[in-house]
Amino acid sequence: KAGVTQTPRYLIKTRGQQVTLSCSPISGHRSVSWYQQTPGQGLQFLFEYFSETQRNKGNFPGRFSGRQFSNSRSEMNVSTLELGDSALYLCASSSGQSTYGYTFGSGTRLTVV
Amino acid sequence: DAKTTQPPSMDCAEGRAANLPCNHSTISGNEYVYWYRQIHSQGPQYIIHGLKNNETNEMASLIITEDRKSSTLILPHATLRDTAVYYCIVRLPTSNTGKLIFGQGTTLQVKP
Repeated sequence: KAGVTQTPRYLIKTRGQQVTLSCSPISGHRSVSWYQQTPGQGLQFLFEYFSETQRNKGNFPGRFSGRQFSNSRSEMNVSTLELGDSALYLCASSSGQSTYGYTFGSGTRLTVV
Repeated sequence: DAKTTQPPSMDCAEGRAANLPCNHSTISGNEYVYWYRQIHSQGPQYIIHGLKNNETNEMASLIITEDRKSSTLILPHATLRDTAVYYCIVRLPTSNTGKLIFGQGTTLQVKP
């Protein structure tokens, strides 16, 4: 079956702009989590959505937001971009109830200039 | 979720077994040990998980000590494609949250 799909793969934005990233989970998966990965901070949890509701949130400013649609696809938005937002953004999906691992997408590489 | 400690880096010769240790001394009785790996610029990949018994799948084996305070991931015949960062994570599987706490992991370099 198809894996987790993230679009776009690469993105270059200017400081002050906003950006929207998309994640399509594995069919049947209702949980989508988002992570930011930078060389300095490693992998950090942003938030998780389950059945269109935010179920958990990491320690990021309000400029980072997300949503989930009825088909479980999720988007995350970053407003007023800063240079420090340059990172690999990863999403992961799961059924939401399994003991098994989460399946990650290949990520979106965001560069803020 | 309990904290984990891993060595920052390890080397392994191609074809030999790679043994990656993880300390999780504060693990609670119902927390599982999960292992993921991340090959450069890709998303993390689930490898294996376990509670108290040793586990084996097509990718690896997981050995958990009797007191559950540490574990070892074993790649029986490492290949160059196993070069990656390996993360050990401890969590409740039914914690109803998608939050995984990643440490710095162990960078495994498989050498020819």
